[in-house]
Amino acid sequence: EAGVAQSPRYKIIEKRQSVAFWCNPISGHATLYWYQQILGQGPKLLIQFQNNGVVDDSQLPKDRFSAERLKGVDSTLKIQPAKLEDSAVYLCASSPRDRVSYNEQFFGPGTRLTVL
Amino acid sequence: AQSVTQLDSHVSVSEGTPVLLRCNYSSSYSPSLFWYVQHPNKGLQLLLKYTSAATLVKGINGFEAEFKKSETSFHLTKPSAHMSDAAEYFCVVSVTTNDMRFGAGTRLTVKP
Repeated sequence: EAGVAQSPRYKIIEKRQSVAFWCNPISGHATLYWYQQILGQGPKLLIQFQNNGVVDDSQLPKDRFSAERLKGVDSTLKIQPAKLEDSAVYLCASSPRDRVSYNEQFFGPGTRLTVL
Repeated sequence: AQSVTQLDSHVSVSEGTPVLLRCNYSSSYSPSLFWYVQHPNKGLQLLLKYTSAATLVKGINGFEAEFKKSETSFHLTKPSAHMSDAAEYFCVVSVTTNDMRFGAGTRLTVKP
């Protein structure tokens, strides 16, 4: 079974530029998550999709971050404009069930973003 | 609300000696608990999970963890460390799928 795919793996941009990350979850997984992992910290949930609808985006800085999952499969996360404090690894994860009680997540390798 | 505290930011052991990574949790409801491992430049990999079945949970690569409700702990252990175990380990508490709280992580170093 193929795992969660993410691209690019690394990205370096200057502050105030925009950037987009892509995630393709495991086939058939209904739920998709984006996490932000700042160096030295555990991952923090940014947004959760169930199929193509948003379940939770309470931790997403909506003034600069946006995410979509239009067809209920792959997803993009965008930052515009980027700030220095956005430097982090952005992890995508997917979960095979759509019931909130089932909570095993499978993670992709992440995208390491450096904002200069 | 739930939270998790990993008591050690860094643990160093010698190859062949036991590993103990400590995790305490706080939750208003019966939680699910997980340990994930993250090798450099790799995705998070699930080691084991507790979901209200047996309190002693066995995972991959010889790791196990014991859920102790009275102590609100979920410590990760392995009898004998291997060089390949060197990585970052995260304890996670969850009540629902969209509310997984990660600890800050414990970096495990294994000395030859």
